[in-house]
Amino acid sequence: SQKIEQNSEALNIQEGKTATLTCNYTNYSPAYLQWYRQDPGRGPVFLLLIRENEKEKRKERLKVTFDTTLKQSLFHITASQPADSATYLCALEVSGGYQKVTFGTGTKLQVIP
Amino acid sequence: GAGVSQSPSNKVTEKGKDVELRCDPISGHTALYWYRQSLGQGLEFLIYFQGNSAPDKSGLPSDRFSAERTGGSVSTLTIQRTQQEDSAVYLCASSPSPAEAGGYTFGSGTRLTVV
Repeated sequence: SQKIEQNSEALNIQEGKTATLTCNYTNYSPAYLQWYRQDPGRGPVFLLLIRENEKEKRKERLKVTFDTTLKQSLFHITASQPADSATYLCALEVSGGYQKVTFGTGTKLQVIP
Repeated sequence: GAGVSQSPSNKVTEKGKDVELRCDPISGHTALYWYRQSLGQGLEFLIYFQGNSAPDKSGLPSDRFSAERTGGSVSTLTIQRTQQEDSAVYLCASSPSPAEAGGYTFGSGTRLTVV
């Protein structure tokens, strides 16, 4: 069966360090992989999209890698800040005529001052 | 509008009653999606609209759930004869079509509690 796995345990990290979150998937051939941030009581907010033929994408302090052989994406936040504390969701988009996106359950990041 | 607007933000209803949840997408976004999120769970896809038609309704959990979209804009998700397991946050998102570069824009959701 198709699965998207993110570490369900919260990730605690010291302010200033690099946070790395993992997204693994099975039985998908995604055309795109997306990362979202979700704060309590809010809807997810789109952060980055990476295509299957891209290895890496950067945006300010964010970096995403996509390894279609390992079926894994890594999401990095460098110089982390307490304001980065949130739940981060990965989402796969399978090419098939429209943009149906399937979400992982997310990893909660806590940046400690 | 500037963002995706959902109403009401909170709804408490008695088991067996019908509820209507509203989504007002970003102007010009032709694609609209409904998801629901239960406590500690991921987002569960419900239905996708392209314009006023729904090419993918595969996520609707039962025939008690229905949705419509009119004028290529506002969408309503209706749950008939609500059950306690329907309690969740219902999220609406919209995107331009195609949405490749920008992902989805979500509303803040409607928190539905069935008592």
